[in-house]
Amino acid sequence: GQQLNQSPQSMFIQEGEDVSMNCTSSSIFNTWLWYKQEPGEGPVLLIALYKAGELTSNGRLTAQFGITRKDSFLNISASIPSDVGIYFCAGQRMDSSYKLIFGSGTRLLVRP
Amino acid sequence: GAVVSQHPSRVICKSGTSVKIECRSLDFQATTMFWYRQFPKQSLMLMATSNEGSKATYEQGVEKDKFLINHASLTLSTLTVTSAHPEDSSFYICSARDTGADTEAFFGQGTRLTVV
Repeated sequence: GQQLNQSPQSMFIQEGEDVSMNCTSSSIFNTWLWYKQEPGEGPVLLIALYKAGELTSNGRLTAQFGITRKDSFLNISASIPSDVGIYFCAGQRMDSSYKLIFGSGTRLLVRP
Repeated sequence: GAVVSQHPSRVICKSGTSVKIECRSLDFQATTMFWYRQFPKQSLMLMATSNEGSKATYEQGVEKDKFLINHASLTLSTLTVTSAHPEDSSFYICSARDTGADTEAFFGQGTRLTVV
């Protein structure tokens, strides 16, 4: 099935550092979503973006919807150990199906 | 956010048997639910869209006769893995959209299926 290109694949950083990850697609999406998944759990929505160019924050998280509608990034500032997990981007198609296409994920490890 | 509950969270079954997984929206009605499969260290892959009162829509490459989906009410969708084989072992996750609100879908906690 179709997937979005998400990078980096994994990151191992020091507590307090900032993190950036991004997703790109050859297709246009009308919504971009960022999720966090912890082991053995379902994804939890972090941020939803609905307009091209939109920049949205949720605490230490900031995400932007690319102008071309084909990309998005997520930044995490001042990382803490509980940020550990796998982060997925997801694009929602421009039709009424509401189907989500997921990125390949970014595995984040934070060293205390 | 809205709550989506999956049951069971873990199941082990023998090859050749069938397993049913339930997905319930606890505090909202969901006309549409989605079923995903996730293999270890991989992303979520959409298997099918479950529509209340009608047939499910399957993604390309997903066998509809093997993965039976029933969405008989606005709060419950079931996925039955028929004649399970070890290669069906995976993490199955459902999501549901609140029909009455223009919100994103919420995910269940997932079901770990192991076929031995």
